[in-house]
Amino acid sequence: GDSVTQMEGPVTLSEEAFLTINCTYTATGYPSLFWYVQYPGEGLQLLLKATKADDKGSNKGFEATYRKETTSFHLEKGSVQVSDSAVYFCALSPGANSKLTFGKGITLSVRP
Amino acid sequence: DSGVTQTPKHLITATGQRVTLRCSPRSGDLSVYWYQQSLDQGLQFLIQYYNGEERAKGNILERFSAQQFPDLHSELNLSSLELGDSALYFCASSVGGGPTDTQYFGPGTRLTVL
Repeated sequence: GDSVTQMEGPVTLSEEAFLTINCTYTATGYPSLFWYVQYPGEGLQLLLKATKADDKGSNKGFEATYRKETTSFHLEKGSVQVSDSAVYFCALSPGANSKLTFGKGITLSVRP
Repeated sequence: DSGVTQTPKHLITATGQRVTLRCSPRSGDLSVYWYQQSLDQGLQFLIQYYNGEERAKGNILERFSAQQFPDLHSELNLSSLELGDSALYFCASSVGGGPTDTQYFGPGTRLTVL
């Protein structure tokens, strides 16, 4: 079945550091890929998405490119802020329906 | 604020009991989804409704059921509760329910089974 694998966490960075969070997936067909963020005590918010190969999603300085050849959707940000501290989830929805399959999530802490 | 509302925010109950979780989607959204978030299982899709009809089903237990009403709000019913049902239950909604649609999540209902 479909699955999403995220790198192990947690991750702790200093403010203005470069961020990469790895995400790889297994799916049949042509899934859509998403990054969601969960701030403490809140629900999930969509950060960015890409719906076909080579698409780049971007939002709030975060970027991720849909790489079909490596089945990856790594999240990057050039300069993190303390306010980026949250849990980040990579997810996919298969081509046939919209049920999201999530990775385990990774906690990012950014220190001043 | 995503525009998706869920009630109650917290629920504490005993094993063997039955509870109902309620979700109101964003204005204009026709599709509602339910997810369970627990420490051991992570975030798991339970069920999706589109305009009142069941559209997709995930790892939803037989003790759990859901429905979407004509006004598009949805309820998730959990019965014969067990300790392992303690989790955060999220509702999400989207406009059309397709695979590329963005799902907007509510704040969740935290269920504690004692």
